[in-house]
Amino acid sequence: DAKTTQPPSMDCAEGRAANLPCNHSTISGNEYVYWYRQIHSQGPQYIIHGLKNNETNEMASLIITEDRKSSTLILPHATLRDTAVYYCIVRSYSGGYQKVTFGIGTKLQVIP
Amino acid sequence: EAGVTQFPSHSVIEKGQTVTLRCDPISGHDNLYWYRRVMGKEIKFLLHFVKESKQDESGMPNNRFLAERTGGTYSTLKVQPAELEDSGVYFCASSRTPPGHFPSPLHFGNGTRLTVT
Repeated sequence: DAKTTQPPSMDCAEGRAANLPCNHSTISGNEYVYWYRQIHSQGPQYIIHGLKNNETNEMASLIITEDRKSSTLILPHATLRDTAVYYCIVRSYSGGYQKVTFGIGTKLQVIP
Repeated sequence: EAGVTQFPSHSVIEKGQTVTLRCDPISGHDNLYWYRRVMGKEIKFLLHFVKESKQDESGMPNNRFLAERTGGTYSTLKVQPAELEDSGVYFCASSRTPPGHFPSPLHFGNGTRLTVT
């Protein structure tokens, strides 16, 4: 799986949009971009994924650049409960079952 | 649907003792994964079951760790004998068999916090 690079930490004011960047410049054509988060003392939580089109669900939006070398996770109205470590992961499915490999992630602090 | 459940939520044992962690995946999920987070470190993959078969056990630290998934339902992870460095949070995750070429999201439990003293 391709390696990802994320800033180690970010702050966001409550009620504002949180934009979390991720660089995955070595991503290959069959690799998806996944985002998970881990709120303190809980298990990682799946947020969203995409291949090349922008995606939106009830939790967040995922914007993937046209060259697919980077992406941004957007939490449109951050709340204090969104304070967590966010992980950007790329995964492929090549006929086998690929494990998820976590990096350091971005620690997002939502400030009142 | 019920989520991934893990038992116990906490376990404190002495060095040299045995501990068994249990994971109940989401019903119908063929894939079951074990991960571990040691204090201050990244979440690390341990192994992956597809039904009752071990698909990938490349992350298992040593032969003191034994994972089983009899019948392809729940899984156990036994540590015997436990060492101090085994302390950490052990997460279990499950996912359904993906349709086509789409890797299915993993759904995680809240983990078992193991402390070896």
